[in-house]
Amino acid sequence: GDSVTQMEGPVTLSEEAFLTINCTYTATGYPSLFWYVQYPGEGLQLLLKATKADDKGSNKGFEATYRKETTSFHLEKGSVQVSDSAVYFCALIVAGGTSYGKLTFGQGTILTVHP
Amino acid sequence: DAGVTQSPTHLIKTRGQQVTLRCSPKSGHDTVSWYQQALGQGPQFIFQYYEEEERQRGNFPDRFSGHQFPNYSSELNVNALLLGDSALYLCASSGAGGEQFFGPGTRLTVL
Repeated sequence: GDSVTQMEGPVTLSEEAFLTINCTYTATGYPSLFWYVQYPGEGLQLLLKATKADDKGSNKGFEATYRKETTSFHLEKGSVQVSDSAVYFCALIVAGGTSYGKLTFGQGTILTVHP
Repeated sequence: DAGVTQSPTHLIKTRGQQVTLRCSPKSGHDTVSWYQQALGQGPQFIFQYYEEEERQRGNFPDRFSGHQFPNYSSELNVNALLLGDSALYLCASSGAGGEQFFGPGTRLTVL
């Protein structure tokens, strides 16, 4: 079946540090890949996405590149802010067949940024 | 434009009871998906409704059932509650574009 594995957390950084959160996946078909963010007490918000190999998703200074050869979609940001503190989820969806519409999530990575 | 709304925000039940959670999709969306997020875990897919029919289902027992109404809103029902059903229940709606937009969730506590 489909699965997503994220680097174990939590991650604690100082403001303006570089962020990388690793994500790898296995999929039964050709997936679209996503990063979602969850702020305390809130639901999930889509951060960025990529739908085919070598695509780069970007938003709010965050970037991730769809690497089919390594089945990875690592999240990066050059300079984190305190306001980036949240839980980050990597996810995939495989359109068509029996997996249509089903998002498969990783376990989440807690990011804490200190001033 | 209102986003996805869910009610109630919080709910406390005891083992064996039944619960109904509600979701109103984003305007223009016709598909509703439900997810269970246990503490410290990623969301797990429960099922998805489209055109008032369950289109796809995850690995959840029959105690979990749902419904979609003609106005595309949806309900999630859980019977015979277990302690392990305590979680954040998330509703997501989507339209023709397929992108899922999530509501704030309902926090269910089973005592």
